[in-house]
Amino acid sequence: DIQMTQSPSSLSASVGDRVTITCRASQDITNWLVWYQQKPGKAPKLLIYAASSLQSGVPSRFSGSGSGTDFTLTISNLQPEDFAIYYCQQANSFPWTFGQGTKVEIK
Amino acid sequence: QVQLVESGGGVVQPGRSLRLSCTASGFTFSNYGMHWVRQAPGKGLEWVAVISYEASAQYYADSVKGRFTISRDNSKNTLYLQMNSLRAEDTGVYYCAKEREPYRSSSLDYWGQGILVTVSS
Repeated sequence: DIQMTQSPSSLSASVGDRVTITCRASQDITNWLVWYQQKPGKAPKLLIYAASSLQSGVPSRFSGSGSGTDFTLTISNLQPEDFAIYYCQQANSFPWTFGQGTKVEIK
Repeated sequence: QVQLVESGGGVVQPGRSLRLSCTASGFTFSNYGMHWVRQAPGKGLEWVAVISYEASAQYYADSVKGRFTISRDNSKNTLYLQMNSLRAEDTGVYYCAKEREPYRSSSLDYWGQGILVTVSS
């Protein structure tokens, strides 16, 4: 199975900051990488698919990059509604696997 | 609008069975692969299973293989998860989720609200 490792596990940031979360796959997944956002008590929300494609309706301050084994989610100009947990997920092969999550907290 | 509504959760004793259902609306159900994803209390997301749009293929996480069965009834727009030999570690919120693209597995764009399964004596 492909292992997904996110870093950091948590971070503190202020409104307006630029935030970067990284995700590393244990083997080459080309661009089969997805990012989700989850808020407490809610279902996950799709942000980015195919490593860098923005899901419809998601603000353009979210962006994704990377290929192969190393990927990045960037949130520019962090907004109050962006404080949440972010998960990466590989869709290269079954079983799909998620990263352990990165909690973005208010500084 | 797309809606996914899970049902069938609850409290069950270890070793017993439970069947979850997910009723879909707002899209052509028979064109999309469907997934189950779960989340233990206070933990991260764990992918559980997928079934292809025409039910010809199913894949499972190692943790549930041989105990859980995913199925679908396209005439009823309903997805199922039959869970047998339940263990305490199966406790959590179970989400059904829809593939973003028809006929292809790439990402999950709509999720249900989740249903709680508690395995406890």
